Amino acid sequence: QKEVEQNSGPLSVPEGAIASLNCTYSDRGSQSFFWYRQYSGKSPELIMFIYSNGDKEDGRFTAQLNKASQYVSLLIRDSQPSDSATYLCADRPFSGGGADGLTFGKGTHLIIQP
Amino acid sequence: NAGVTQTPKFRILKIGQSMTLQCTQDMNHNYMYWYRQDPGMGLKLIYYSVGAGITDKGEVPNGYNVSRSTTEDFPLRLELAAPSQTSVYFCASSYSEGARGYTFGSGTRLTVV
Repeated sequence: QKEVEQNSGPLSVPEGAIASLNCTYSDRGSQSFFWYRQYSGKSPELIMFIYSNGDKEDGRFTAQLNKASQYVSLLIRDSQPSDSATYLCADRPFSGGGADGLTFGKGTHLIIQP
Repeated sequence: NAGVTQTPKFRILKIGQSMTLQCTQDMNHNYMYWYRQDPGMGLKLIYYSVGAGITDKGEVPNGYNVSRSTTEDFPLRLELAAPSQTSVYFCASSYSEGARGYTFGSGTRLTVV
């Protein structure tokens, strides 16, 4: 069974520091990977996606992918209290071309301490 | 653009009742999905559709049905509601096979008592 694993946290980070969120996946055929942010009581919101090994940067966010280790991470620089949320990692398996849905992890609860 | 619109936002059902959760998107996306999210758990796929007239089961389809008569609408039907269906339900859509991720609706919080 395809799985995406995340540490549920909570992960507590001081304001202004770098928050590092990690995720591993079981399906070696997975093609692309996603990070969603979900505030309490709200729907998931896409932050970033990444296809290729290495880093992808977007503002304060950097996604990192290592397919050999089946590992994805999200770095948040200059963390702000508004970054406090649950972060969901998801992958898109190769089989079915992704039409059969993304596989989501359970999420990591991030708390930015002022 | 409204994106993905779900109604209702909240609903309480009695055991054995039925209801339809509505989902509409105005982005002309072919792909649509229904997920449920239980506390402390990840999103689980219930049903998905790759276009009008085409639907298929996801990971947790039991107790649910869907239809896709138009590109815009993808309603989820609960028949004979059970307490195990208490959850938050999210509808999502994507332009391609989710290659750039999904757009989610705001969710429906359902309680079955």
